[in-house]
Amino acid sequence: EPEVTQTPSHQVTQMGQEVILRCVPISNHLYFYWYRQILGQKVEFLVSFYNNEISEKSEIFDDQFSVERPDGSNFTLKIRSTKLEDSAMYFCASTRVLREYTGELFFGEGSRLTVL
Amino acid sequence: QQQVKQSPQSLIVQKGGISIINCAYENTAFDYFPWYQQFPGKGPALLIAIRPDVSEKKEGRFTISFNKSAKQFSLHIMDSQPGDSATYFCAASLSSGDKLTFGTGTRLAVRP
Repeated sequence: EPEVTQTPSHQVTQMGQEVILRCVPISNHLYFYWYRQILGQKVEFLVSFYNNEISEKSEIFDDQFSVERPDGSNFTLKIRSTKLEDSAMYFCASTRVLREYTGELFFGEGSRLTVL
Repeated sequence: QQQVKQSPQSLIVQKGGISIINCAYENTAFDYFPWYQQFPGKGPALLIAIRPDVSEKKEGRFTISFNKSAKQFSLHIMDSQPGDSATYFCAASLSSGDKLTFGTGTRLAVRP
């Protein structure tokens, strides 16, 4: 069964360092997302991406965050200068189509980011 | 207006019992209401979803009940099994958009 894969599974970094989280969405999917989940809290939308540009972003997704689809398969989330509060599980998700009602989002297993 | 409120925070049910998780939303423009199941160390996985033009949807042991006038929807898990032990998130999205607004999650434990 096709799945969304994410790397690394866990990354520990020092405050102020740059971090890149990588995702390989399901191959025929067209819409890509990043969500995050702070430990014990709800899953929060960060950004959606379609046709090589950001479709929508949340208040959390400030200038420190960026996304990129550098080739036909990878979808990356970059945090330029990490803060302690960026510590969370980051989930990549993808879906094939958007119709009148939202298509099923397939989530990866997440990348746990720990900022010290 | 974008909030989705979920209760209870945690739930313990005996094997064979009924698990009920409730959600309420504020934004009447929400047009799609999925439930996600998340096991430890895994990403959320779609369990079942409903549109506001129906009041109930059933898939196996899982049923969503939807009350549009009250802006509430709930997940019922019949004949709960230990394998159902997980965190359950309700969510909602706009028909014109695609981002999901998640509830705060319910940690379900089904005792043997």
